[in-house]
Amino acid sequence: EAGVAQSPRYKIIEKRQSVAFWCNPISGHATLYWYQQILGQGPKLLIQFQNNGVVDDSQLPKDRFSAERLKGVDSTLKIQPAKLEDSAVYLCASSYGTSGGARETQYFGPGTRLLVL
Amino acid sequence: AQSVTQLDSQVPVFEEAPVELRCNYSSSVSVYLFWYVQYPNQGLQLLLKYLSGSTLVKGINGFEAEFNKSQTSFHLRKPSVHISDTAEYFCAVSDLTSGTYKYIFGTGTRLKVLA
Repeated sequence: EAGVAQSPRYKIIEKRQSVAFWCNPISGHATLYWYQQILGQGPKLLIQFQNNGVVDDSQLPKDRFSAERLKGVDSTLKIQPAKLEDSAVYLCASSYGTSGGARETQYFGPGTRLLVL
Repeated sequence: AQSVTQLDSQVPVFEEAPVELRCNYSSSVSVYLFWYVQYPNQGLQLLLKYLSGSTLVKGINGFEAEFNKSQTSFHLRKPSVHISDTAEYFCAVSDLTSGTYKYIFGTGTRLKVLA
């Protein structure tokens, strides 16, 4: 079974530029998550999709971050414009069911490491 | 409010020695508890989880954890570590908050196994 795929693996941009990350979850997984992991911290949930609907985006900085999951499969996360404090690893995860992820195992991709200069 | 505390940011231990990584949480409702491991340049991988039932949970790679409701803890243990266990370990809690399940990670504990 193929795992969660993410691209690119690394990205370096200057502040005020825009950037997009792509995630392809495990086939058949209904729930998709985007996390931000700043160096030295645990992952912080940015947004959670169930199929192609948003379940939770309470911690997404909506003035600069946006995400979509068209057709309930793959997803993109965009930052526009980027700030220095956005430097982090962006992790995508997916889980099988639709119970909101509470009891289920999340399967993580390798992440995209973003450096904003 | 829901939170997870991993007091030890780094834990060095010699190969074949036992190890315990501590995790405490705060939540006013029933919780689900998880331990994930992150190897360098990789995503997180589930080690084990507590949903209900027996408070002693066994996971992959010889790890186990014990849910202690009175102490609000979920410490991870392994009786004999290997060099390959060197990684970062994250405790996570999921509970029902304001009608939505929130999944919160701790700040992680970096386990360094020494030869």
